[in-house]
Amino acid sequence: KAGVTQTPRYLIKTRGQQVTLSCSPISGHRSVSWYQQTPGQGLQFLFEYFSETQRNKGNFPGRFSGRQFSNSRSEMNVSTLELGDSALYLCASSLGSSSYNEQFFGPGTRLTVL
Amino acid sequence: GDSVTQMEGPVTLSEEAFLTINCTYTATGYPSLFWYVQYPGEGLQLLLKATKADDKGSNKGFEATYRKETTSFHLEKGSVQVSDSAVYFCALSENFGNEKLTFGTGTRLTIIP
Repeated sequence: KAGVTQTPRYLIKTRGQQVTLSCSPISGHRSVSWYQQTPGQGLQFLFEYFSETQRNKGNFPGRFSGRQFSNSRSEMNVSTLELGDSALYLCASSLGSSSYNEQFFGPGTRLTVL
Repeated sequence: GDSVTQMEGPVTLSEEAFLTINCTYTATGYPSLFWYVQYPGEGLQLLLKATKADDKGSNKGFEATYRKETTSFHLEKGSVQVSDSAVYFCALSENFGNEKLTFGTGTRLTIIP
């Protein structure tokens, strides 16, 4: 069974641009969560999608948005990039349908904002 | 809100030494508790978990016990190996379909031969 895949693995953008990151979950998983990892703030929850609906949201500005498609693949978008958005963005998938679901993480997308 | 406080690193040990990484949590309900490991250049891997008080999670020689009375979930291993060098994260999740994980700051572990 293929794991969680994220594309691209590395990305370099400049301030003010926007970026879209993609995540393909494990087959059969309906929940996709996104996390931002930085040296200063650690791992922070961005949002979670389940069956194409945002089910949970962290404390990030509206520049961060996401969506999920009918095949459970998810994208996150960051508009008007700032230097502080440089981070490793991790995606995790799970079944999402019971009281506890193990989450499986992808390798991440490393975003550098210049 | 929920929070996880994790032992600051980095931690350097000799091979075959005993390892403890402390983790305490604050949560409003009865969360599930996890230890994740991150190897260089990779995403997170679930190392072990415990979903209720007094549960002991174990995997690859690592163990952690869910202690509700002390709100702790300390990670232990009796004899570490060079291959255990990685960053370890303690995390919690409120149950009932809430997929959000709240992480500690991570502890970088280096094992020297």
